Amino acid sequence: DTAVSQTPKYLVTQMGNDKSIKCEQNLGHDTMYWYKQDSKKFLKIMFSYNNKELIINETVPNRFSPKSPDKAHLNLHINSLELGDSAVYFCASSQVRTGELFFGEGSRLTVL
Amino acid sequence: GENVEQHPSTLSVQEGDSAVIKCTYSDSASNYFPWYKQELGKGPQLIIDIRSNVGEKKDQRIAVTLNKTAKHFSLHITETQPEDSAVYFCAAPVSSASKIIFGSGTRLSIRP
Repeated sequence: DTAVSQTPKYLVTQMGNDKSIKCEQNLGHDTMYWYKQDSKKFLKIMFSYNNKELIINETVPNRFSPKSPDKAHLNLHINSLELGDSAVYFCASSQVRTGELFFGEGSRLTVL
Repeated sequence: GENVEQHPSTLSVQEGDSAVIKCTYSDSASNYFPWYKQELGKGPQLIIDIRSNVGEKKDQRIAVTLNKTAKHFSLHITETQPEDSAVYFCAAPVSSASKIIFGSGTRLSIRP
């Protein structure tokens, strides 16, 4: 049973396109996150939701729009993709906001 | 702003030797210090954590030490094995923002 699952695993697209990444967790956690990992492996938090409510937005361009239809799902939509958006995007969840994070396997986005 | 610094960025040790990775943090209110291991193509996974009411914690071949006065914490891996090869991240909470931030990662390679 996969605890945090995200799709798709790989995404290759052209500049200017719009794409979405979906995430689901079956751990019963209240808090979900999106992290971005660049080519140098830096892990930076982008968004955090607690019970469907946005609690952290780390100065991410407004081309990135997270949506949480319920506390088990957190999707990420990206408009007008740019070359610099190429990265691995990780979804994660936790029971408390500063507790153990459970990560998905990542979605590698390549913008050409 | 609050940050977590991690050293070294790469580390190569002979199989069977020990490896040490060090981190410093800036938020004096931080009270939880996890370490994550990221294997190739996977998401980070918690391997050990320590809370500020103890100075050391061990789990088989891995241990974490904490010096709250100096705001340092370290990961120690003894009797290293090939499967220890991975990227390791330290992390610490930013109490004012209810989030966890990560160090820049250490790529550990175990030489046979």
